[in-house]
Amino acid sequence: DIQMTQSPSSLSASVGDRVTITCRASQSISRYLNWYQQKPGKAPKLLIYGVSSLQSGVPSRFSGSGSGTDFTLTISSLQPEDFATYYCQQSYLIPLTFGGGTEVAIK
Amino acid sequence: QVQLQQWGAGLLKPSETLSLTCAVYGGSFSGYFWSWIRQSPGKGLEWIGEINHRESTNFNPSLKSRVTISVDTSKNQFSLKLTSVTAADRAVYYCAKSPVPAARGLVYFDPWGQGTLVTVSS
Repeated sequence: DIQMTQSPSSLSASVGDRVTITCRASQSISRYLNWYQQKPGKAPKLLIYGVSSLQSGVPSRFSGSGSGTDFTLTISSLQPEDFATYYCQQSYLIPLTFGGGTEVAIK
Repeated sequence: QVQLQQWGAGLLKPSETLSLTCAVYGGSFSGYFWSWIRQSPGKGLEWIGEINHRESTNFNPSLKSRVTISVDTSKNQFSLKLTSVTAADRAVYYCAKSPVPAARGLVYFDPWGQGTLVTVSS
């Protein structure tokens, strides 16, 4: 299985901060990488697919980059509604696998 | 706008069979793949498997021996059965839509169902 490792596992930030979350795959996954946001008690919500394509309705402060094994999700200016847990997911090989999550908390 | 609504038993005894159903509203059922994903504190998010309207399936090898995914195209529904459950199967189970089959390109999940908490206890 392809292991997806996210770092950090949690972070504290303030409104307006620039936040960067990293996802590393255990082998190259080309650009088959997606990002999700999950709030407590809710299902994950797709933010970015194919490394950098923003899902419809997602604010432009979210962006993604990377290829191969190393990927990044950036929130350019953190807003109150962005405090949540973020997950990466690969679809290069079965089984499809997710990262362990990064919790973004209020400082 | 596609919406997924899921239901099923939330409390099972060890060795019983988990059974969940997901209904698709407001969009096309054919032409997509329909997945089951679970989330537990211990294992995080885990993809279980998928099906399309032609009953083509793909599964996570770690669960394949215990999993059946079926489809009822007349009702735009698909279902999950997981046999011989144990405490390790305690999780929130989600259904979700994806545009292409697993490992055939860029597979992402959107939207998701609301989730069903399944607990296993004697």
